[in-house]
Amino acid sequence: SQQGEEDPQALSIQEGENATMNCSYKTSINNLQWYRQNSGRGLVHLILIRSNEREKHSGRLRVTLDTSKKSSSLLITASRAADTASYFCATKASGGSNYKLTFGKGTLLTVNP
Amino acid sequence: NAGVMQNPRHLVRRRGQEARLRCSPVKGHSHVYWYRQLPEEGLKFMVYLQKENIIDESGMPKERFSAEFPKEGPSILRIQQVVRGDSAAYFCASSPTSSAADTQYFGPGTRLTVL
Repeated sequence: SQQGEEDPQALSIQEGENATMNCSYKTSINNLQWYRQNSGRGLVHLILIRSNEREKHSGRLRVTLDTSKKSSSLLITASRAADTASYFCATKASGGSNYKLTFGKGTLLTVNP
Repeated sequence: NAGVMQNPRHLVRRRGQEARLRCSPVKGHSHVYWYRQLPEEGLKFMVYLQKENIIDESGMPKERFSAEFPKEGPSILRIQQVVRGDSAAYFCASSPTSSAADTQYFGPGTRLTVL
């Protein structure tokens, strides 16, 4: 089954606006992480939220986690053109095989100057 | 403090040739993971290795693909007799332990194109 389904698949906003991306998953998790990937580049780790946490902040990033709904959201406030990238959520399972990340297909965010 | 290094960054092979992808983890990390990203897709786990051991290869095709992480030197992902469907970006990641709490640090990837 596909873990970490993000929506929307693509999001286009103006600089200065906030961007919200959502992620759903199917199984029990140890933690959920968000990564950014600029076009043709590697992944950059943004933030990790544990299954017993509900909200976490890092700079302009705010992540929420609702384990009862098996969903998470990533909010980027006051977006900049440099935030243009694909954003992926990835989960680590609770229990066995909790070393591997299971990724969704990502949200392509375009921030227009 | 060098991050994860991968080479080559781009690799072009003809059908039937072999592809060798190399990954040097962050210094001091002994846990390496390989992921594959098809166009317009997220990353899919392939294999997890510790020094000299394959721990989990459940995401790697049984045929033509192999991986190693020798005591000395980089981790190698080897694809024999490549086919067009192998065209993808292959990412390596490393972590200091296998703990779920550990962040995996990703390399820039190798983009394989099979003609």
